[in-house]
Amino acid sequence: QVHLVQSGADVKKPGASVRVSCKASGYSFTNYVIQWVRQAPGQRLAWMGWINTDTGGTRFSQSFQGRITITRDTSASTAYMELSSLRSEDTAVYFCARAEVATGHFDYWGQGTLVTVSS
Amino acid sequence: SYVLTQPPSVSVAPGKTARITCGGNNIGIKSVHWYQQRPGQAPVLVVYYDYDRPSGIPERFSGSNSENTATLTISRVEAGDEADYYCQVWDSSSDHWVFGGGTKLTVL
Repeated sequence: QVHLVQSGADVKKPGASVRVSCKASGYSFTNYVIQWVRQAPGQRLAWMGWINTDTGGTRFSQSFQGRITITRDTSASTAYMELSSLRSEDTAVYFCARAEVATGHFDYWGQGTLVTVSS
Repeated sequence: SYVLTQPPSVSVAPGKTARITCGGNNIGIKSVHWYQQRPGQAPVLVVYYDYDRPSGIPERFSGSNSENTATLTISRVEAGDEADYYCQVWDSSSDHWVFGGGTKLTVL
């Protein structure tokens, strides 16, 4: 069965960076894209970007351009999302999700990682 | 940028039919996906490509999409269907995924 397991909750100070991991199992990692989505408290889902796990190619939402990096380690079947220059508004739950193609639906999601930005 | 508009809340009695709409300019030419999110949990895909259902999702969940409105229909609503529901489309003009604001379904 497909599982996406994310790293645990984290607390960061403003200006710092955070890296969230997403470990995949139950399928061939490089056959699917990994998407990243975040949800601030009481807010809608917001797409952040994706990584083609086969080629390493990425695409980001303009809302995060310049602050976001997405990488993957195919040997560990794990994708990583790093967000820099954190501010309080970045406090949110961050999700990874799997998609067969970058412009297709997200069929499995990770459990979410709460990132709190506070001084 | 492309905007998806959902009603903030929908209420329905058990056993009745709930309809959750997702409005967007000419959304009928786009593919719409729907997700269910229970409190404190990750979203779950319930309908994709307008009306397809993933395995394991009850037939009570169905979708439609025409002109400026996509609709998620939940028949014979159960208490366990109480959740937030989000629509999603790929906006090819901006190369960006877009989510609706979400609709809280309350089962009376």
